[in-house]
Amino acid sequence: QKEVEQDPGPLSVPEGAIVSLNCTYSNSAFQYFMWYRQYSRKGPELLMYTYSSGNKEDGRFTAQVDKSSKYISLFIRDSQPSDSATYLCAMKRLGGSEKLVFGKGTKLTVNP
Amino acid sequence: GAVVSQHPSWVICKSGTSVKIECRSLDFQATTMFWYRQFPKQSLMLMATSNEGSKATYEQGVEKDKFLINHASLTLSTLTVTSAHPEDSSFYICSAATPGQGLVGYTFGSGTRLTVV
Repeated sequence: QKEVEQDPGPLSVPEGAIVSLNCTYSNSAFQYFMWYRQYSRKGPELLMYTYSSGNKEDGRFTAQVDKSSKYISLFIRDSQPSDSATYLCAMKRLGGSEKLVFGKGTKLTVNP
Repeated sequence: GAVVSQHPSWVICKSGTSVKIECRSLDFQATTMFWYRQFPKQSLMLMATSNEGSKATYEQGVEKDKFLINHASLTLSTLTVTSAHPEDSSFYICSAATPGQGLVGYTFGSGTRLTVV
């Protein structure tokens, strides 16, 4: 079993739709949960991060972590064509030198 | 914000030759640099972690003699793919631990697409 599982999609939605992206993980030691956005031929950029369980909201984006289920989600409200990208979840254990473990990424297309 | 400049953005080389990829941190000092490889439709896989002035730590299964990492200064880290083969064709990305962003601050380069023919 991979440490982090993410459905690669692709996912195609109309503009204005609510998008739900998800990852599951197996390592209960993960404490930091991140979502990155990666445009084609570019490096990932950090969208949001959450420490331990709970929700975090930033504008149209909401990140949720359910440690009991080992399940994290990213919701995008009022999706825009500019949101079209690959979204990667990433996780790490506590500690400054701990490495990030990434999901495969979900390719999202928002159609105008 | 913090920027990591990665060059080249793409390179094509002949089998058996070596290729060097550079990552420079602009406006900040990168004491730790991470090197990843990403195959199509696959996760970013960590290859190695380098700390300025010391030897890199390689992940299991990554050949340190094939993927040479040099982190000689606080603003420059290089990855050299030696004796490249077609199976080394991939997207290589560096990432620097970004100061002032706690334990989640990582700034990524824009990646290098390597094609070995």
